Amino acid sequence: DAGVIQSPRHEVTEMGQEVTLRCKPISGHDYLFWYRQTMMRGLELLIYFNNNVPIDDSGMPEDRFSAKMPNASFSTLKIQPSEPRDSAVYFCASDRRTWGEAFFGQGTRLTVV
Amino acid sequence: GENVEQHPSTLSVQEGDSAVIKCTYSDSASNYFPWYKQELGKGPQLIIDIRSNVGEKKDQRIAVTLNKTAKHFSLHITETQPEDSAVYFCAASNNMGGGSNYKLTFGKGTLLTVNP
Repeated sequence: DAGVIQSPRHEVTEMGQEVTLRCKPISGHDYLFWYRQTMMRGLELLIYFNNNVPIDDSGMPEDRFSAKMPNASFSTLKIQPSEPRDSAVYFCASDRRTWGEAFFGQGTRLTVV
Repeated sequence: GENVEQHPSTLSVQEGDSAVIKCTYSDSASNYFPWYKQELGKGPQLIIDIRSNVGEKKDQRIAVTLNKTAKHFSLHITETQPEDSAVYFCAASNNMGGGSNYKLTFGKGTLLTVNP
């Protein structure tokens, strides 16, 4: 298996623009997580899905952030409008509940200027 | 919710020495404690985990101990090598019963440097 695949790896955008991050989880994993990593706050869970249904979005910073999982093999995290403070590395991870081991993608480094 | 504290934030050791990283957690319902290693430019990767029904687990040079009474767990790396240099994260979750408990709460990370 290719592991969790995220795209793009790097994204530079101007403040106010819409940004869409993409994730393909490992086949057969029924949990998908979106994390944000910054030096100040470490790894923060933004939202997670079980069987394509959002379970807990309490970590989503504000209404500018939204996430979808239209099917078992694809998820998006959208920021609209983006702000400089959104600059971070965003990770997607997937998991099979029976094991509890989360596999992380390589991350998307987002820079908002 | 769960809160995980991790110490130290940085650790520098000589090659061949041992390294110990400690974490405490707040939620007594947590029952799964993984450790992740993150190399520069990569995502965190699971290196070892322990569940609440076990006090210690070992995998070659890496071991993890868990004290449920005190709500702390530790990562031990023996005979450290330069390639062990990375950021290490501890985490905790309650992965029984699903719902909003089923999520990993991470510590802030420890930057381990192994000097040749």
